[in-house]
Amino acid sequence: ETGVTQTPRHLVMGMTNKKSLKCEQHLGHNAMYWYKQSAKKPLELMFVYNFKEQTENNSVPSRFSPECPNSSHLFLHLHTLQPEDSALYLCASSQEVGTGGNEQFFGPGTRLTVL
Amino acid sequence: AQKVTQAQTEISVVEKEDVTLDCVYETRDTTYYLFWYKQPPSGELVFLIRRNSFDEQNEISGRYSWNFQKSTSSFNFTITASQVVDSAVYFCALSENTNAGKSTFGDGTTLTVKP
Repeated sequence: ETGVTQTPRHLVMGMTNKKSLKCEQHLGHNAMYWYKQSAKKPLELMFVYNFKEQTENNSVPSRFSPECPNSSHLFLHLHTLQPEDSALYLCASSQEVGTGGNEQFFGPGTRLTVL
Repeated sequence: AQKVTQAQTEISVVEKEDVTLDCVYETRDTTYYLFWYKQPPSGELVFLIRRNSFDEQNEISGRYSWNFQKSTSSFNFTITASQVVDSAVYFCALSENTNAGKSTFGDGTTLTVKP
């Protein structure tokens, strides 16, 4: 595997389900990100982790719970979601969160549909 | 507060035409970074270029060129002799030195290149 991988690629869940999205990066990076991409707001930053520590929570509802066990893996745990949470969830990584000059490498995303 | 505006929502051109995608940004930082990303229909954002605020030199990479002008807070992207494979959504992004983990993306410009 190379780059940034995400599983599953597609997910359909009911509002009472609990599911998790997984992201893995094979680039030796130390920072990882979750973004939400929907038609209304093209790219919204959700969470940022730098060296496994959360450095940014962009006012995300608690029904989204991130987990970063190590610098290579990032999870997004989902529970009691709403239909408006249906979107493409993108994971990204970068060398680190330093001075802001590091480009991000994105995974292919998970297309989430909440019924 | 940082802000990125991509005023062109959609652009449609015929193959071999030149096309310029506009990006205007706002920031109070003197040190910041600008990026362009391409998102093809597959969904994965691909990094194209990074520019820091102290480097106003224009850059050319094959058919792609970028024009950074601090005086007008713009970082425009030109594709010369467009091809069908250039069809994608293009995002401009800004990252401030003092807010390194929080990149702000524009709403994106959807480019369609017709044969």
